[in-house]
Amino acid sequence: ETGVTQSPTHLIKTRGQQVTLRCSSQSGHNTVSWYQQALGQGPQFIFQYYREEENGRGNFPPRFSGLQFPNYSSELNVNALELDDSALYLCASSTPGSSYNSPLHFGNGTRLTVT
Amino acid sequence: DQQVKQNSPSLSVQEGRISILNCDYTNSMFDYFLWYKKYPAEGPTFLISISSIKDKNEDGRFTVFLNKSAKHLSLHIVPSQPGDSAVYFCAARFSGGGADGLTFGKGTHLIIQP
Repeated sequence: ETGVTQSPTHLIKTRGQQVTLRCSSQSGHNTVSWYQQALGQGPQFIFQYYREEENGRGNFPPRFSGLQFPNYSSELNVNALELDDSALYLCASSTPGSSYNSPLHFGNGTRLTVT
Repeated sequence: DQQVKQNSPSLSVQEGRISILNCDYTNSMFDYFLWYKKYPAEGPTFLISISSIKDKNEDGRFTVFLNKSAKHLSLHIVPSQPGDSAVYFCAARFSGGGADGLTFGKGTHLIIQP
């Protein structure tokens, strides 16, 4: 069973640039969510995708957007990067059907640094 | 406004003893609670969960206790082992809230001393 994989592992961008982070969900998982973990904080929910549509969103501005593909892989796009966007970005997948009480399975994350 | 609070940033416990990690929440709508463990350079790994219809759930060395009236949960690890040294996150959600995601605490760094 293949787990959640994310790429790249590290990334350095300049303020104002755009970035795309990628995630392959665990085999058989059709729900993908993204979290931002700033230094010293717990992960914060960005949004969730199910059947290629966003079906839940946390308190993040519209410059954070995403996609889910037919193979359930996913992208997180961030436009107009700000210094505060520097964080670990975690992708998580969960089992088919209701994800409400299904534990999330996380990837190892992408460390984004904005200078 | 932090809805899930882990008030101890770190905790040091001797190997073989009991580790108790605490978590408080403010949102009374939360009805499902989870604990995750995180090693450096890895993503969080699911440990154990509990639904609000229960007050205890056990899995091997790990037991989670839920006190709904106090809006408090705790994770007990017995006996503590060196491999348990990691950051532990408490998380919560409201099942009827749709795809709202999990709300995490800031984590407690558990250090198991030999």
